[in-house]
Amino acid sequence: GQNIDQPTEMTATEGAIVQINCTYQTSGFNGLFWYQQHAGEAPTFLSYNVLDGLEEKGRFSSFLSRSKGYSYLLLKELQMKDSASYLCAVRDSNYQLIWGAGTKLIIKP
Amino acid sequence: IAGITQAPTSQILAAGRRMTLRCTQDMRHNAMYWYRQDLGLGLRLIHYSNTAGTTGKGEVPDGYSVSRANTDDFPLTLASAVPSQTSVYFCASSRGEGGELFFGEGSRLTVL
Repeated sequence: GQNIDQPTEMTATEGAIVQINCTYQTSGFNGLFWYQQHAGEAPTFLSYNVLDGLEEKGRFSSFLSRSKGYSYLLLKELQMKDSASYLCAVRDSNYQLIWGAGTKLIIKP
Repeated sequence: IAGITQAPTSQILAAGRRMTLRCTQDMRHNAMYWYRQDLGLGLRLIHYSNTAGTTGKGEVPDGYSVSRANTDDFPLTLASAVPSQTSVYFCASSRGEGGELFFGEGSRLTVL
C-alpha cells in the first residue's frame, strides 16, 4: 500500500529552527509537495521537490532523498504566524497525490 | 471572483437529504479535484476531473457524484447524506494533471 508518515505534532520556540520529516512509500514517484494549512483555512503551496537535494525559499527549505524515500521541511527564524499544520504529499506514478496526515507545529514565545 | 470559490462555507444537513457543494474557479485550470479532510487523516480524494467533460473516481468516491460541464465549475453532490459524510470538503484546481494545487476555502458539512 501507499503510505506517507509525518510526526503528528511538534513544538518549537519563536526565533528557532525546526525540521519536519516526511517518509513515504508509494507506487512510483513524480515529485513531493509541502503545503501549509492554518487552522480553519485552506492548504497553501510551500514547495515542490522532484530531484534530490535542497530547495531554499526564504525562511523555508525543503530537502528530498528519493533513494531513502525521505523529505524534510526546514523552517528558520520561526515566527508565531508559522503555527500551522504542514502537509507532505507525494505524486505517484499515476500522477495522483498521496497525502500525509499533516504535522501540527506549535510555536511558543 | 479570484481563484476558487466554494459554497456554502458551512451547512448542517439531515441524513437522507440531497446536497450539492458548488465549486467555481476563474484560473482556467484544466484539472479540478474534490477532497475531504477529517481529523487525524490526510486529505482524501473523492473525485477528480482532468479536463472539462471527463471525471474520475478517487480514493473515497462512494456516496458522491460530480460533473464537469465546463472548465470553471465542478459541483459535488451527495445523493443521500449519511453521518459519516460529516467532514470539511475542499475543492482544488491545478493547471495540469498532478500539478500544484490551489484550494478553495472549504465547505464544512455536518450530517445529523
